[in-house]
Amino acid sequence: QKEVEQNSGPLSVPEGAIASLNCTYSDRGSQSFFWYRQYSGKSPELIMFIYSNGDKEDGRFTAQLNKASQYVSLLIRDSQPSDSATYLCAVNSYNTDKLIFGTGTRLQVFP
Amino acid sequence: KAGVTQTPRYLIKTRGQQVTLSCSPISGHRSVSWYQQTPGQGLQFLFEYFSETQRNKGNFPGRFSGRQFSNSRSEMNVSTLELGDSALYLCASSFGSGATDTQYFGPGTRLTVL
Repeated sequence: QKEVEQNSGPLSVPEGAIASLNCTYSDRGSQSFFWYRQYSGKSPELIMFIYSNGDKEDGRFTAQLNKASQYVSLLIRDSQPSDSATYLCAVNSYNTDKLIFGTGTRLQVFP
Repeated sequence: KAGVTQTPRYLIKTRGQQVTLSCSPISGHRSVSWYQQTPGQGLQFLFEYFSETQRNKGNFPGRFSGRQFSNSRSEMNVSTLELGDSALYLCASSFGSGATDTQYFGPGTRLTVL
């Protein structure tokens, strides 16, 4: 089992729709959860972080964390073509104190 | 505040050569982490430096090494380059050490080994 798992996609959504990106992790001791966006040929850019169970909203983005079920998700409301990118989920490993990245989900927003 | 900077942005080397990459963190950040990103393996952790000390290391051979200077700038060195070392090398800085603090990435150095 991979430490951080994401569906590679592509996830295709129409403009204006809600995009839902999911991530599961295996380390029950993980405390910090991050979402990064990476455009093709560019470096990862931080979108959000979340530490507590529940929802955290920032503009069109909402991160959701459920530690009991070991999953974290990112919702993008009113998706725009400019949101088309790969979204990386990153989770801190409690045991090794390293940031572990999923392989990313490619999101395509079509007009 | 200026972001994380990395030099050079692109590098082409041949097998057997060595290479040094540089990273300047965000002002005030004392931790620098290095990652290798390839299409097949994704983002893989190389090592983390905090206050000039390597505090964590990934599963890479000893050909990969690094150091951090008193101004928090960091360098990464790869010796005896192999074709498989072709990748995007990213550094990320954070205020505190460890993986719980938010890390901000630089633009990366694209290394091609011929």
